[in-house]
Amino acid sequence: AQRVTQPEKLLSVFKGAPVELKCNYSYSGSPELFWYVQYSRQRLQLLLRHISRESIKGFTADLNKGETSFHLKKPFAQEEDSAMYYCALRTSGTYKYIFGTGTRLKVLA
Amino acid sequence: EPEVTQTPSHQVTQMGQEVILRCVPISNHLYFYWYRQILGQKVEFLVSFYNNEISEKSEIFDDQFSVERPDGSNFTLKIRSTKLEDSAMYFCASSTGGGNQPQHFGDGTRLSIL
Repeated sequence: AQRVTQPEKLLSVFKGAPVELKCNYSYSGSPELFWYVQYSRQRLQLLLRHISRESIKGFTADLNKGETSFHLKKPFAQEEDSAMYYCALRTSGTYKYIFGTGTRLKVLA
Repeated sequence: EPEVTQTPSHQVTQMGQEVILRCVPISNHLYFYWYRQILGQKVEFLVSFYNNEISEKSEIFDDQFSVERPDGSNFTLKIRSTKLEDSAMYFCASSTGGGNQPQHFGDGTRLSIL
């Protein structure tokens, strides 16, 4: 079955330190992958999708089909990056997103 | 920037009662979705809706659930006879197309069943 795994429930880093939020997926076809962010008491907002290969708010994510991963990275964390981050997978022929359980990022001053 | 809006933000209902959750998708979007998140668990897909019919649904979306687009702007989720386990945050989302068009989410409705 298709699945998204985010192994860390909580990740704490100091301001200015690099950040990597892990996301692994299980799907044998061509995946579409997304990162969504949820700031405190706000809606899920699209952060990145793999097809656009862009950098948003300094975050990047590269799809590694060999490792079935789509890790989210930022070289220098900022306090305003503190939020809940969700990785999501869409498989071919469906509309639904399959979400991971999310990782709470805390950036400490 | 246009947003998906959901009402109410919090709904408290007695078990066995019917509840309707309301959503106004972004105006030029054609695909609509409902997801739910039980406290402490992952966000789960319920249903997608396009061209006035359900295009996909999950095993969670049983006969107790229904969706409707009663007019040109609203998209509703009805739960006919609520159970305690229906307590969750319900998110509405919309997208311009299916496929690789990203889904835009509302703030959610917290449903509490007593």
